[in-house]
Amino acid sequence: AQSVTQPDIHITVSEGASLELRCNYSYGATPYLFWYVQSPGQGLQLLLKYFSGDTLVQGIKGFEAEFKRSQSSFNLRKPSVHWSDAAEYFCAVGPYSGGGADGLTFGKGTHLIIQP
Amino acid sequence: DAGVTQSPTHLIKTRGQQVTLRCSPKSGHDTVSWYQQALGQGPQFIFQYYEEEERQRGNFPDRFSGHQFPNYSSELNVNALLLGDSALYLCASSLAGASGPQHFGDGTRLSIL
Repeated sequence: AQSVTQPDIHITVSEGASLELRCNYSYGATPYLFWYVQSPGQGLQLLLKYFSGDTLVQGIKGFEAEFKRSQSSFNLRKPSVHWSDAAEYFCAVGPYSGGGADGLTFGKGTHLIIQP
Repeated sequence: DAGVTQSPTHLIKTRGQQVTLRCSPKSGHDTVSWYQQALGQGPQFIFQYYEEEERQRGNFPDRFSGHQFPNYSSELNVNALLLGDSALYLCASSLAGASGPQHFGDGTRLSIL
C-alpha cells in the first residue's frame, strides 16, 4: 500500500533562514508527487508537482523540491523564508496514470512556524 | 476563472442525522474527488467521480455516498452521522487524461454534536 511520511510534525525557522521539509514515500509504481500548503481555515494550494524529467522542480512562492528515487524522498526547500510562509505543508503521492485524476495519499503534514 | 467552490462553509449536525455537501469544480474540469481531513491530520481520500459514476473509492464505509451531475458538480452525502465524522471535507477537481494536478476548494467544516 502506498504511504507518505513527513517525519517532522513541527519546524521552527527564523525569518530569512533557509528551510527544508522532509517527505518520504512508499509506492509500487512510478509516483506522481506533490507539495501542497494549507493556511488556517483554508483549502490546499499546490506548490509544485513532479512526475518525470528534471528531478529538481520549481514551484510557486520561491519553493523547490528534489526527487530522489534511491531514497524515496521528495524534500521541499526554500532559500529564505518569509513570515507569510507560516502554514501547514503536506506532501502527497498518487499514481501517474495520465492525469492527477486519482486519489492522492497525503502525509500528516508539517507545521511551519516562522520566528521574527 | 472560478476555482473550486464548496458549500456550505460550515455546518453543525447531531449524531444520527444526514448531511449533504456540495462542490462545483474548476471551469474545464470533469473529475471531482472528495477528501476528509480530521483535525491535525492530512486529507484522506473518500472517493472520486467521473462521468457521473464513482470511479475510485478509499477506505470509507457505505454511509459515505456521492453523486456527480451532468454539469460535473458533485455532492457528498453522509448518513447516520457519528461524532468521528467531524472534519473538514475537501473537494478537488481535475481533468481526466491530462497531467494536471488536483485543485482544491476551501472545504466544508462539519461539526457533529
